Amino acid sequence: QKEVEQDPGPLSVPEGAIVSLNCTYSNSAFQYFMWYRQYSRKGPELLMYTYSSGNKEDGRFTAQVDKSSKYISLFIRDSQPSDSATYLCAMMQAGTALIFGKGTTLSVSS
Amino acid sequence: GAVVSQHPSWVICKSGTSVKIECRSLDFQATTMFWYRQFPKQSLMLMATSNEGSKATYEQGVEKDKFLINHASLTLSTLTVTSAHPEDSSFYICSASSVREAETQYFGPGTRLLVL
Repeated sequence: QKEVEQDPGPLSVPEGAIVSLNCTYSNSAFQYFMWYRQYSRKGPELLMYTYSSGNKEDGRFTAQVDKSSKYISLFIRDSQPSDSATYLCAMMQAGTALIFGKGTTLSVSS
Repeated sequence: GAVVSQHPSWVICKSGTSVKIECRSLDFQATTMFWYRQFPKQSLMLMATSNEGSKATYEQGVEKDKFLINHASLTLSTLTVTSAHPEDSSFYICSASSVREAETQYFGPGTRLLVL
């Protein structure tokens, strides 16, 4: 079993839809959880950062961490064509390397 | 804040030549810098971690004599691909973290390398 599992998609939604992106993981020691957005041929951009369990909201984006289920989610409300990108989940323990999921490719059509 | 730059953004070179890629933190001191490699439609693969003033720590399977990493200052790390071959063609991305935000990595825009 891989440490971090993420469905690669692609995921296609119409503009305005609510998007749900998810990752599962196996290492219960992970404490820090991130979501990155990567446009084609660009470096990843940090979207959300969460420590331990709980929810975090930033504009149209909401990150959720459920450590009991080893499951994290990113919700995008009112999705826009400019949200079309690959979304990478990443997680780590303190002082260790960041482990990435494979990324989910999202396409939002106008 | 937290801007990381990379130079060059893309490079084409002949097989057997060496290529140097620079990674700079523009508005913070990067105590740790990371180098990743990414193949098309794949996730990021960590190559090495470098702390300012000390030798880089390479991930298993990454040749340290092939991929030379130098982290000479708190704002600059370089990756040199020595004697590049076509199989080294890839997207190389650096990231940096600071003492204040040790668990957060900010990524550069990446360097696309094509070895002919």
